[in-house]
Amino acid sequence: GQQVMQIPQYQHVQEGEDFTTYCNSSTTLSNIQWYKQRPGGHPVFLIQLVKSGEVKKQKRLTFQFGEAKKNSSLHITATQTTDVGTYFCAGTRSSNTGKLIFGQGTTLQVKP
Amino acid sequence: DGGITQSPKYLFRKEGQNVTLSCEQNLNHDAMYWYRQDPGQGLRLIYYSQIVNDFQKGDIAEGYSVSREKKESFPLTVTSAQKNPTAFYLCASSLGHATDTQYFGPGTRLTVL
Repeated sequence: GQQVMQIPQYQHVQEGEDFTTYCNSSTTLSNIQWYKQRPGGHPVFLIQLVKSGEVKKQKRLTFQFGEAKKNSSLHITATQTTDVGTYFCAGTRSSNTGKLIFGQGTTLQVKP
Repeated sequence: DGGITQSPKYLFRKEGQNVTLSCEQNLNHDAMYWYRQDPGQGLRLIYYSQIVNDFQKGDIAEGYSVSREKKESFPLTVTSAQKNPTAFYLCASSLGHATDTQYFGPGTRLTVL
């Protein structure tokens, strides 16, 4: 079946260092969404990418959607302790309706 | 105040008992979803419903059942047939299309003793 793989599973960084998580799909995706889950919380929507090669920025966060629409990345510049949490990518197949396939998530720890 | 609620936050049950988890939304969303979250495995889809009185199995539906009698409610029953029910259960809702944002409830942590 369709899979969305996310790496790395865990990442520990020093505050101020950059962080990147990668998301790869076995099939072409119609869109990719990114969510953040704080420790003890629930996933919260960050952003959606729809177009091939699309790049979007939210302050220190940069999101990219690959040209083939099979991969995506989230890059955080100069991490802060408030960035701690698990970041999930989630995509839908072109022929699917409403059903998101989530990656396993990348858990980010930031040492002050 | 619009949102999606789940109750209770923590639930304990004895092995062999069925248990029903509540999920309510007042966002007027057509679609609702149930996910299970285990450490290191992300979110796995149990059941989803795109319209009232209709629902579809997700990737791990065995041992679970749902109903969608009202637009705002999508309860999940964890039956005794579920081999490993202890987990964090998340309910979500969306307008219903593939590109729509999913809004998650706070989750219910179920522990089966």
